[in-house]
Amino acid sequence: GAVVSQHPSWVICKSGTSVKIECRSLDFQATTMFWYRQFPKQSLMLMATSNEGSKATYEQGVEKDKFLINHASLTLSTLTVTSAHPEDSSFYICSASAPLKYEQYFGPGTRLTVT
Amino acid sequence: AQRVTQPEKLLSVFKGAPVELKCNYSYSGSPELFWYVQYSRQRLQLLLRHISRESIKGFTADLNKGETSFHLKKPFAQEEDSAMYYCALRYGGATNKLIFGTGTLLAVQP
Repeated sequence: GAVVSQHPSWVICKSGTSVKIECRSLDFQATTMFWYRQFPKQSLMLMATSNEGSKATYEQGVEKDKFLINHASLTLSTLTVTSAHPEDSSFYICSASAPLKYEQYFGPGTRLTVT
Repeated sequence: AQRVTQPEKLLSVFKGAPVELKCNYSYSGSPELFWYVQYSRQRLQLLLRHISRESIKGFTADLNKGETSFHLKKPFAQEEDSAMYYCALRYGGATNKLIFGTGTLLAVQP
């Protein structure tokens, strides 16, 4: 149990376009989902916390107009990278936690390459 | 501000040798610490939580508030332990946010 999926697993897009990444909790309801970014050989950096039905909370330094997060249901959160640039190329990972539970369950990640 | 430090990027040991992956933290509140593991081509998964005080796959970790440390230990390393290990600190109260260390790659040689 407690499986989180991400789609797509990898995506290549052209500079200036937008790309959407989906994060789904497959077998539990996730009131909270988290979006992380991981640069090569570096740690996971929390970008934002997403609660179902409310606006996402962004970490300091993360542009909320560039990284649009929508948590429309208890099993789905989406991250849209708008007007992507090569410096947005990274590995994006989501995680989800159930109500009143501490553990975060991680998705497999999405590799974004902006050309 | 909260911080998690893992001083070693790579730790290479031989099979059967003891392992200690170091983790130090800085946090003004009551710390809640975790170890996450990422095996090759797999997703990040929880290994240990300090509150549980349990041993998972032979690994243990004790929270030392005096030294602000949460080192991960195993007396006899196995080849299948080779993976990336991340120490993480839970902060933000009910928001359940995690801050991760930079990770240590454990390589167990046969």
